[in-house]
Amino acid sequence: KAGVTQTPRYLIKTRGQQVTLSCSPISGHRSVSWYQQTPGQGLQFLFEYFSETQRNKGNFPGRFSGRQFSNSRSEMNVSTLELGDSALYLCASSGGASGNTIYFGEGSWLTVV
Amino acid sequence: EDQVTQSPEALRLQEGESSSLNCSYTVSGLRGLFWYRQDPGKGPEFLFTLYSAGEEKEKERLKATLTKKESFLHITAPKPEDSATYLCAVQAFDETSGSRLTFGEGTQLTVNP
Repeated sequence: KAGVTQTPRYLIKTRGQQVTLSCSPISGHRSVSWYQQTPGQGLQFLFEYFSETQRNKGNFPGRFSGRQFSNSRSEMNVSTLELGDSALYLCASSGGASGNTIYFGEGSWLTVV
Repeated sequence: EDQVTQSPEALRLQEGESSSLNCSYTVSGLRGLFWYRQDPGKGPEFLFTLYSAGEEKEKERLKATLTKKESFLHITAPKPEDSATYLCAVQAFDETSGSRLTFGEGTQLTVNP
């Protein structure tokens, strides 16, 4: 059974640019959530999507946005990148036969220079 | 606001030396308490979900327990391959919580041969 797949795994962007990260959830999972992980702040919740609707949102500025498609795949976008946005961005999925269990992908490492 | 505190921040053990990691939490309506293992550069790997006080779950050398205020992850006769960061997270029960997890800062475990 394939796990949560995130692309790209590594990327470097320049301040002011924007970035789009992609996530394919485990087959049958309809909930997709995103987290930011940094050494100083730990894992911080960004937002959650369920059936193409944003169901929950964390405490991040509007530069962080996301969406979910009808096949449950999700993307998150960060506009006007700042140096502090450098982090590991993790996608997680849940639902279906897995019930409440939340599974994470390997993450996308974003470096902003 | 949900809060999760893990202790100790770091723990060094000799191979075979058993110990416990602590996760204290405050949450309005616990929906589930999750334990994950995270290796450097990788996403969190799901270990256990506990739902109610008194519940225990085991997997190989790991055993997780839950009370009304804290959870323990007991590691029996650890091996060097158990070295990782162990993360605890809580999920609150309310209409908007969805799959939102609040994480602790983690315990970095090192097991020396």
